[in-house]
Amino acid sequence: DIVVTQSPLSLPVTPGEPASISCRSSQSLLHSNGFNYLHWYLQKPGQSPQLLIYLGSSRASGVPDRFSGSGSGTDFTLKISRVETEDVGIYFCMQALQIPITFGGGTKVEIK
Amino acid sequence: EVQLVESGGALVQPGGSLKLSCAASGFTFSDSPIHWVRQASGKGLEWVGRIKSKANNYATAYAASVKGRFTVSRDDSENTAYLQMNSLKTEDTAVYFCTRLVEIQDYFDFRGQGSLVTVSS
Repeated sequence: DIVVTQSPLSLPVTPGEPASISCRSSQSLLHSNGFNYLHWYLQKPGQSPQLLIYLGSSRASGVPDRFSGSGSGTDFTLKISRVETEDVGIYFCMQALQIPITFGGGTKVEIK
Repeated sequence: EVQLVESGGALVQPGGSLKLSCAASGFTFSDSPIHWVRQASGKGLEWVGRIKSKANNYATAYAASVKGRFTVSRDDSENTAYLQMNSLKTEDTAVYFCTRLVEIQDYFDFRGQGSLVTVSS
């Protein structure tokens, strides 16, 4: 199974400041088609996860451009250029390269 | 609009059984792989299992933690997927989400609020 490890576990942020979350996988998520099968989700309190970034760096429809994803292979990063109060919640990365699909443990983003 | 509505969650005793339903609309259900993902209270997301489309022979796959106890099925005529859970354990207590896999990009499209399953005596 591919193990996906996120850091940090908790991330206190100041509105207007940048934030960054790391996701590392135990195996490369780079498919032979050139795409990295690593996705990012945000789960707001009491809601189901919502897609932010797919295939490592493509922003999902309706996601503000302050969110960006980067990385390849085994190391990935989600960046928020300027955090807004509505960005609080738990961020998860997920690998979809192979079954079983596995998730990172989550990063709780909260306002300082 | 894509909708996925989970139902059937309940309180059940250890060793018992329960069947969850996932009613879908707003997309071509019969073409879509359907997955189940669960989340214990205050915990992360855990993939449970999936069923592919008829074109892919309704192939199923399961997490090791539920293999042999859980079964994913679907009724394309009713646009509904199911998760049959047998021999339930206290560690199966969680909110269960059904989700469709958007193919090619292979990301999950979560739409429902989930269904709470509590396994306790």
